[in-house]
Amino acid sequence: GNSVTQMEGPVTLSEEAFLTINCTYTATGYPSLFWYVQYPGEGLQLLLKATKADDKGSNKGFEATYRKETTSFHLEKGSVQVSDSAVYFCALSDREGGKLIFGQGTELSVKP
Amino acid sequence: EPEVTQTPSHQVTQMGQEVILRCVPISNHLYFYWYRQILGQKVEFLVSFYNNEISEKSEIFDDQFSVERPDGSNFTLKIRSTKLEDSAMYFCASSEGRTRSYGYTFGSGTRLTVV
Repeated sequence: GNSVTQMEGPVTLSEEAFLTINCTYTATGYPSLFWYVQYPGEGLQLLLKATKADDKGSNKGFEATYRKETTSFHLEKGSVQVSDSAVYFCALSDREGGKLIFGQGTELSVKP
Repeated sequence: EPEVTQTPSHQVTQMGQEVILRCVPISNHLYFYWYRQILGQKVEFLVSFYNNEISEKSEIFDDQFSVERPDGSNFTLKIRSTKLEDSAMYFCASSEGRTRSYGYTFGSGTRLTVV
Protein backbone atom coordinates (compact mmCIF):
# COMPACT_ATOMS: atom_id res chain seq x y z
CA GLY A 1 0.00 0.00 0.00
CA ASN A 2 0.90 3.67 -0.10
CA SER A 3 3.25 4.96 2.58
CA VAL A 4 5.44 7.90 3.57
CA THR A 5 8.76 7.75 5.40
CA GLN A 6 10.43 10.75 7.02
CA MET A 7 13.79 11.18 8.62
CA GLU A 8 13.88 10.63 12.35
CA GLY A 9 13.86 13.59 14.67
CA PRO A 10 14.36 15.62 16.64
CA VAL A 11 16.44 17.89 14.47
CA THR A 12 18.19 20.68 16.36
CA LEU A 13 19.66 23.62 14.44
CA SER A 14 21.02 27.04 15.20
CA GLU A 15 19.24 30.08 13.83
CA GLU A 16 20.11 30.82 10.19
CA ALA A 17 21.25 27.25 9.53
CA PHE A 18 20.18 25.33 6.43
CA LEU A 19 17.37 22.82 6.90
CA THR A 20 16.66 19.60 5.08
CA ILE A 21 14.02 17.14 6.21
CA ASN A 22 13.98 14.03 4.07
CA CYS A 23 10.75 12.46 2.88
CA THR A 24 10.31 9.47 0.59
CA TYR A 25 7.10 7.82 -0.49
CA THR A 26 5.72 4.64 -1.94
CA ALA A 27 2.64 4.96 -4.09
CA THR A 28 1.05 3.68 -7.22
CA GLY A 29 0.17 6.20 -9.87
CA TYR A 30 0.76 9.90 -9.40
CA PRO A 31 0.04 11.06 -5.87
CA SER A 32 -0.12 14.63 -4.67
CA LEU A 33 2.48 15.44 -2.03
CA PHE A 34 2.14 17.77 0.93
CA TRP A 35 4.07 19.19 3.83
CA TYR A 36 2.08 20.09 6.94
CA VAL A 37 3.42 21.90 10.01
CA GLN A 38 2.20 21.57 13.58
CA TYR A 39 3.27 24.34 15.94
CA PRO A 40 3.21 23.54 19.67
CA GLY A 41 -0.34 23.20 20.92
CA GLU A 42 -1.89 23.82 17.52
CA GLY A 43 -3.42 21.86 14.65
CA LEU A 44 -2.00 20.93 11.28
CA GLN A 45 -1.37 23.71 8.79
CA LEU A 46 -0.65 23.21 5.12
CA LEU A 47 2.86 24.46 4.43
CA LEU A 48 3.23 23.58 0.74
CA LYS A 49 2.23 21.04 -1.86
CA ALA A 50 3.11 19.65 -5.28
CA THR A 51 0.85 17.73 -7.58
CA LYS A 52 3.09 16.35 -10.34
CA ALA A 53 6.65 15.35 -11.06
CA ASP A 54 9.21 18.18 -10.99
CA ASP A 55 6.73 20.59 -9.40
CA LYS A 56 8.25 22.74 -6.69
CA GLY A 57 6.06 23.80 -3.80
CA SER A 58 7.14 26.83 -1.81
CA ASN A 59 5.88 28.93 1.08
CA LYS A 60 7.42 31.08 3.82
CA GLY A 61 10.94 30.33 2.58
CA PHE A 62 10.38 26.56 2.59
CA GLU A 63 10.65 24.57 -0.63
CA ALA A 64 10.16 20.98 -1.73
CA THR A 65 10.46 19.42 -5.19
CA TYR A 66 8.44 16.40 -6.31
CA ARG A 67 11.05 13.91 -7.55
CA LYS A 68 9.40 10.93 -9.15
CA GLU A 69 12.66 9.22 -10.08
CA THR A 70 13.74 9.09 -6.43
CA THR A 71 10.18 9.08 -4.99
CA SER A 72 11.16 11.94 -2.72
CA PHE A 73 9.78 15.28 -1.54
CA HIS A 74 12.47 16.69 0.75
CA LEU A 75 11.72 19.90 2.64
CA GLU A 76 14.39 22.63 2.60
CA LYS A 77 14.86 26.12 3.96
CA GLY A 78 17.94 28.21 3.50
CA SER A 79 17.93 30.00 6.85
CA VAL A 80 15.75 28.79 9.73
CA GLN A 81 14.38 30.96 12.49
CA VAL A 82 13.43 30.17 16.07
CA SER A 83 9.80 30.59 15.03
CA ASP A 84 10.18 27.60 12.65
CA SER A 85 10.39 25.25 15.64
CA ALA A 86 7.55 22.79 15.08
CA VAL A 87 6.76 19.26 13.93
CA TYR A 88 6.77 18.80 10.16
CA PHE A 89 4.71 16.10 8.46
CA CYS A 90 5.11 14.84 4.92
CA ALA A 91 1.93 13.38 3.43
CA LEU A 92 0.48 12.04 0.21
CA SER A 93 -2.93 11.66 -1.34
CA ASP A 94 -3.45 9.32 -4.25
CA ARG A 95 -6.67 10.87 -5.58
CA GLU A 96 -8.78 14.01 -5.48
CA GLY A 97 -10.60 14.14 -2.16
CA GLY A 98 -8.93 10.95 -0.95
CA LYS A 99 -7.37 10.42 2.44
CA LEU A 100 -3.99 11.79 3.41
CA ILE A 101 -1.30 9.32 4.40
CA PHE A 102 1.20 10.87 6.78
CA GLY A 103 4.80 10.22 7.63
CA GLN A 104 5.74 9.92 11.26
CA GLY A 105 6.62 13.61 11.64
CA THR A 106 9.97 15.29 12.26
CA GLU A 107 10.39 17.62 15.19
CA LEU A 108 12.53 20.68 14.47
CA SER A 109 14.02 22.76 17.25
CA VAL A 110 15.81 25.99 16.31
CA LYS A 111 18.05 27.58 18.95
CA PRO A 112 18.96 31.28 18.98
CA GLU B 1 -9.54 32.84 6.14
CA PRO B 2 -12.17 30.11 6.62
CA GLU B 3 -11.49 27.67 9.45
CA VAL B 4 -12.46 24.21 10.57
CA THR B 5 -13.70 24.48 14.16
CA GLN B 6 -13.51 21.64 16.65
CA THR B 7 -15.08 21.41 20.09
CA PRO B 8 -14.22 20.75 22.82
CA SER B 9 -10.49 21.38 22.73
CA HIS B 10 -9.96 18.89 25.55
CA GLN B 11 -12.24 16.17 26.88
CA VAL B 12 -11.66 13.79 29.74
CA THR B 13 -13.88 10.75 29.96
CA GLN B 14 -14.08 7.54 31.93
CA MET B 15 -13.37 4.25 30.25
CA GLY B 16 -16.54 2.72 28.86
CA GLN B 17 -18.32 6.05 28.40
CA GLU B 18 -19.55 7.38 25.08
CA VAL B 19 -18.00 10.55 23.68
CA ILE B 20 -18.97 12.77 20.79
CA LEU B 21 -16.39 14.99 19.18
CA ARG B 22 -17.73 17.88 17.16
CA CYS B 23 -16.47 19.65 14.10
CA VAL B 24 -17.77 22.45 11.91
CA PRO B 25 -16.15 22.12 8.49
CA ILE B 26 -15.73 24.98 6.06
CA SER B 27 -19.13 25.77 4.65
CA ASN B 28 -18.59 25.06 0.95
CA HIS B 29 -16.52 21.93 1.51
CA LEU B 30 -17.94 18.58 0.48
CA TYR B 31 -15.46 16.04 1.87
CA PHE B 32 -14.93 15.50 5.59
CA TYR B 33 -12.35 13.49 7.46
CA TRP B 34 -11.33 12.38 10.92
CA TYR B 35 -7.74 11.61 11.88
CA ARG B 36 -6.15 10.79 15.18
CA GLN B 37 -2.69 11.27 16.61
CA ILE B 38 -1.65 9.24 19.62
CA LEU B 39 0.90 11.19 21.62
CA GLY B 40 4.28 11.19 19.88
CA GLN B 41 3.08 9.05 16.99
CA LYS B 42 2.03 9.66 13.42
CA VAL B 43 -1.25 11.13 12.29
CA GLU B 44 -3.55 8.25 11.29
CA PHE B 45 -6.56 8.34 9.00
CA LEU B 46 -9.84 7.16 10.52
CA VAL B 47 -12.64 7.90 8.08
CA SER B 48 -13.73 10.04 5.17
CA PHE B 49 -17.29 11.16 4.47
CA TYR B 50 -18.85 12.43 1.29
CA ASN B 51 -22.43 12.86 0.10
CA ASN B 52 -23.79 11.80 3.49
CA GLU B 53 -22.03 8.50 3.62
CA ILE B 54 -18.67 7.02 4.55
CA SER B 55 -16.46 6.90 1.48
CA GLU B 56 -13.48 5.22 3.10
CA LYS B 57 -12.47 3.98 6.55
CA SER B 58 -9.37 2.52 8.10
CA GLU B 59 -8.93 -0.63 10.18
CA ILE B 60 -8.96 1.56 13.28
CA PHE B 61 -12.52 2.69 12.53
CA ASP B 62 -14.32 -0.34 13.94
CA ASP B 63 -17.86 -0.75 15.25
CA GLN B 64 -17.07 1.43 18.25
CA PHE B 65 -16.80 4.46 15.98
CA SER B 66 -19.45 6.25 13.98
CA VAL B 67 -19.73 9.55 12.13
CA GLU B 68 -22.66 11.73 11.36
CA ARG B 69 -23.52 15.00 9.70
CA PRO B 70 -26.70 15.72 11.62
CA ASP B 71 -27.65 19.16 10.40
CA GLY B 72 -25.67 20.22 7.32
CA SER B 73 -23.06 22.13 9.29
CA ASN B 74 -21.73 19.85 12.03
CA PHE B 75 -19.71 16.70 11.50
CA THR B 76 -19.39 14.45 14.53
CA LEU B 77 -17.31 11.47 15.58
CA LYS B 78 -18.84 9.20 18.21
CA ILE B 79 -16.93 6.63 20.18
CA ARG B 80 -19.46 4.31 21.83
CA SER B 81 -17.48 2.79 24.63
CA THR B 82 -14.12 4.42 25.12
CA LYS B 83 -10.97 2.47 25.89
CA LEU B 84 -7.72 3.73 27.38
CA GLU B 85 -6.06 3.34 24.00
CA ASP B 86 -8.51 5.81 22.46
CA SER B 87 -6.64 8.58 24.25
CA ALA B 88 -5.30 10.75 21.44
CA MET B 89 -5.64 14.04 19.62
CA TYR B 90 -8.48 13.84 17.13
CA PHE B 91 -8.36 16.12 14.09
CA CYS B 92 -11.21 16.94 11.79
CA ALA B 93 -10.45 18.08 8.24
CA SER B 94 -12.43 19.15 5.22
CA SER B 95 -11.83 19.76 1.55
CA GLU B 96 -13.83 20.90 -1.42
CA GLY B 97 -12.59 17.86 -3.34
CA ARG B 98 -10.06 19.54 -5.56
CA THR B 99 -7.31 18.61 -3.17
CA ARG B 100 -4.59 18.82 -5.82
CA SER B 101 -5.28 22.52 -6.05
CA TYR B 102 -6.51 23.45 -2.60
CA GLY B 103 -5.40 20.72 -0.21
CA TYR B 104 -7.13 19.94 3.05
CA THR B 105 -7.95 22.22 5.97
CA PHE B 106 -7.54 20.86 9.48
CA GLY B 107 -9.08 21.93 12.75
CA SER B 108 -7.04 22.54 15.88
CA GLY B 109 -7.99 19.17 17.32
CA THR B 110 -9.70 17.70 20.37
CA ARG B 111 -7.46 16.08 22.93
CA LEU B 112 -9.33 13.07 24.31
CA THR B 113 -8.11 11.59 27.57
CA VAL B 114 -9.67 8.32 28.70
CA VAL B 115 -9.12 7.53 32.38
